[in-house]
Amino acid sequence: QQQVKQSPQSLIVQKGGIPIINCAYENTAFDYFPWYQQFPGKGPALLIAIRPDVSEKKEGRFTISFNKSAKQFSLHIMDSQPGDSATYFCAAGGGADGLTFGKGTHLIIQP
Amino acid sequence: KAGVTQTPRYLIKTRGQQVTLSCSPISGHRSVSWYQQTPGQGLQFLFEYFSETQRNKGNFPGRFSGRQFSNSRSEMNVSTLELGDSALYLCASSSDSGRGYGYTFGSGTRLTVV
Repeated sequence: QQQVKQSPQSLIVQKGGIPIINCAYENTAFDYFPWYQQFPGKGPALLIAIRPDVSEKKEGRFTISFNKSAKQFSLHIMDSQPGDSATYFCAAGGGADGLTFGKGTHLIIQP
Repeated sequence: KAGVTQTPRYLIKTRGQQVTLSCSPISGHRSVSWYQQTPGQGLQFLFEYFSETQRNKGNFPGRFSGRQFSNSRSEMNVSTLELGDSALYLCASSSDSGRGYGYTFGSGTRLTVV
């Protein structure tokens, strides 16, 4: 079964710190790796996405690092703020079954 | 530009009943995918519709079904509800079929089975 493994399950970081969330995938057919942010009572919102031909992508304070040989990718949040407190999901797509999601990381940014 | 609209937002049903959930995608998007979100299993793919045709189906029992109309609106139906069907049901719309690119999710329908 195709899987995406995400860690850590929860993370607490002080304001201004750089939380890092990691994901690993198995299926080399995946060609699209998005990150979603979800607030309570809302659906996931697309944050940033990367293709496997790029090793890093930045959008504002959010950066994805991608290691194709290791089949791993990670999300870094620069200058984190309390408003970034949410659940973050990595995912992998490009196959027939839409997106395969990681189990999520509950992030808390302390003031 | 209107987002993805899911109705109703909340539902409480009794075990054994059936339920129908609705999703209106972003205008111009022809793909609608449905996901079940639970604390234990996370987000799991149910099925995807593109231009009124089911393109892919996840590993869920036949009690879960769906359809898509000519205006791209989609409905999913769950028959003979079980307690374990309690979850947040999310739909995502996209202009592409089946590959997960550029999904926009709705806020979901919270289904509680009692």
